[in-house]
Amino acid sequence: EDQVTQSPEALRLQEGESSSLNCSYTVSGLRGLFWYRQDPGKGPEFLFTLYSAGEEKEKERLKATLTKKESFLHITAPKPEDSATYLCAGGGGSYIPTFGRGTSLIVHP
Amino acid sequence: KAGVTQTPRYLIKTRGQQVTLSCSPISGHRSVSWYQQTPGQGLQFLFEYFSETQRNKGNFPGRFSGRQFSNSRSEMNVSTLELGDSALYLCASSLAREINTGELFFGEGSRLTVL
Repeated sequence: EDQVTQSPEALRLQEGESSSLNCSYTVSGLRGLFWYRQDPGKGPEFLFTLYSAGEEKEKERLKATLTKKESFLHITAPKPEDSATYLCAGGGGSYIPTFGRGTSLIVHP
Repeated sequence: KAGVTQTPRYLIKTRGQQVTLSCSPISGHRSVSWYQQTPGQGLQFLFEYFSETQRNKGNFPGRFSGRQFSNSRSEMNVSTLELGDSALYLCASSLAREINTGELFFGEGSRLTVL
């Protein structure tokens, strides 16, 4: 059974304090590792897709990386508007995407 | 370009009732998938439709059903509601051939409360 585990569950940062969110996955036949951002009361918004180990993608203050067992979402010099829940999902041979429970990030000014 | 539209946004039902939720995907997207999101279980896959055919179904009881129309709009139905069905129901559309390989575009969800 495919599993995606995210840590920490919650993270509080000061503005400008860089950190990383972890996504550990056991997904048979991984076809894509996805990161989404979800604001309260909204649906998830797509951030990145990573397809193979060693791949990296960046968008503003966010950088996603992928190894054979984990993915990291690095947040550099975060701002309060980066506060959200970040979801990781694996898509594998089972066809059904498996989501982690998310990391709730709060960035204090 | 219009995004994914879900209606209604909020609804309150009582145990034993049934509910129908609607989803209009982004124009040109033929895949529509549904998810249940709760604080305890996170985001869980319900089912996916592509060109009016259900392609896959998650591990939910038969009380949860869905369908897709020729214009790609989709509905999901939950019959004989239980308290545990209270959740945010999210719909997502995709341009990808398979939903486990491409970006999902989510709607804002339908918040269901069962009393």
